[in-house]
Amino acid sequence: EVQLVQSGAEVKKPGEFLKISCQGSGYSFSSYWIGWVRQMPGKGLEWMGMIYPGDSDTRYSPSFQGRVTISADKSLKIAYLQWSSLKAADTALYYCTRRGSPQLGSAFDYWGQGALVTVSS
Amino acid sequence: EIVMTQTPLSLPVTPGEPASISCRSSRSLFESADGNTYLDWYLHKPGQSPQLLIYALSYRASGVPDRFSGSGSGTDFTLKISRVEAEDVGVYYCMQRLEFPYNFGQGTRLEIK
Repeated sequence: EVQLVQSGAEVKKPGEFLKISCQGSGYSFSSYWIGWVRQMPGKGLEWMGMIYPGDSDTRYSPSFQGRVTISADKSLKIAYLQWSSLKAADTALYYCTRRGSPQLGSAFDYWGQGALVTVSS
Repeated sequence: EIVMTQTPLSLPVTPGEPASISCRSSRSLFESADGNTYLDWYLHKPGQSPQLLIYALSYRASGVPDRFSGSGSGTDFTLKISRVEAEDVGVYYCMQRLEFPYNFGQGTRLEIK
């Protein structure tokens, strides 16, 4: 069974570092893109970027380029989303999601449970 | 980048009645190289993670009831629910996957009357 399990909720202060994770299981982790999606309080879904764990090819939305870093450790089957200096505006629910196989349209077919990040002084 | 626009943003529906959500892209999502249209629909139910409903314009994802259907072409797309059920409540999003950055529409909140 394909699963994406995300790390737990975080409460941080502005300016702090944070790295959240998404562990994949039940499939060949290296062979599927992992994307990250943000949902700010009361708002819609925003596509942040994605990574191909097999070769670490990474793509970012311009809205998030330079603000976050997406990485992956294919040996551990974990993808990461990190901030070097958090802002209050980073308070949101973050989802990881797997881009499926081309045979099934390569849409985002599995999603993590979400990780709530709260940034407050 | 390709901008996605959904209408309506709020959709109250009586159970058993049909519902329709429109999505428009700022550029065609048709890829002539492979004949696919890179438009997907997702449903985000309250308290759950988003789930894939329709991929590549009109293909239902695994386990999705056949009352859901996707159609359209080029820049104009529609998600239809033939008979709304209480479990269909949530926010529906279209998303383009033709080129980076991928983008979602603003979302359409379906509620039961």
